[in-house]
Amino acid sequence: GAGVSQSPSNKVTEKGKDVELRCDPISGHTALYWYRQSLGQGLEFLIYFQGNSAPDKSGLPSDRFSAERTGGSVSTLTIQRTQQEDSAVYLCASSFYGNTIYFGEGSWLTVV
Amino acid sequence: DAKTTQPPSMDCAEGRAANLPCNHSTISGNEYVYWYRQIHSQGPQYIIHGLKNNETNEMASLIITEDRKSSTLILPHATLRDTAVYYCIVRVDEDSSYKLIFGSGTRLLVRP
Repeated sequence: GAGVSQSPSNKVTEKGKDVELRCDPISGHTALYWYRQSLGQGLEFLIYFQGNSAPDKSGLPSDRFSAERTGGSVSTLTIQRTQQEDSAVYLCASSFYGNTIYFGEGSWLTVV
Repeated sequence: DAKTTQPPSMDCAEGRAANLPCNHSTISGNEYVYWYRQIHSQGPQYIIHGLKNNETNEMASLIITEDRKSSTLILPHATLRDTAVYYCIVRVDEDSSYKLIFGSGTRLLVRP
């Protein structure tokens, strides 16, 4: 596709359940980023993938959060044992190496 | 932590120029200044970026001071659709990690 694609666009889940959020970056982009934005708050960096290098996981808030990037393209962000404070919009972005970063429209997660 | 300082809010009249300031006094010589905006919790939209020269594109102009310690984003003829949160970001480049660290941004309100 032309832009960064994320799915699902909306997800409601029960506290304690696991969720998976998917990101399809722009074709050919080498770098992929995940951010989180809680209601009324700024964007919080979570994790960054660049090619085959080890990911920068410095922003992951706890060990319940993990992400994979298969084949250097699609990425999945997994949140285990969800808590209400995990409710947020999760934004994915991609870039070609250090060039301009483009964002998707996000996946809205609500934990009830 | 974000390396930029922006006023929390500004307003301007429709049709007039909007000038959004940003301080980045600790910027390094090889760090770029990026501007993004976010409209009503959509994914952040790239506007413009620069290193040391002034830049202009179809959306905006970016004026960077000679010492690179501050910059101004100019929307030449603001419209109601330009109402958004504007983020000024210095691009971190640590061990080839090109992630963006977002601050609080400036909430711009364009008045009819």
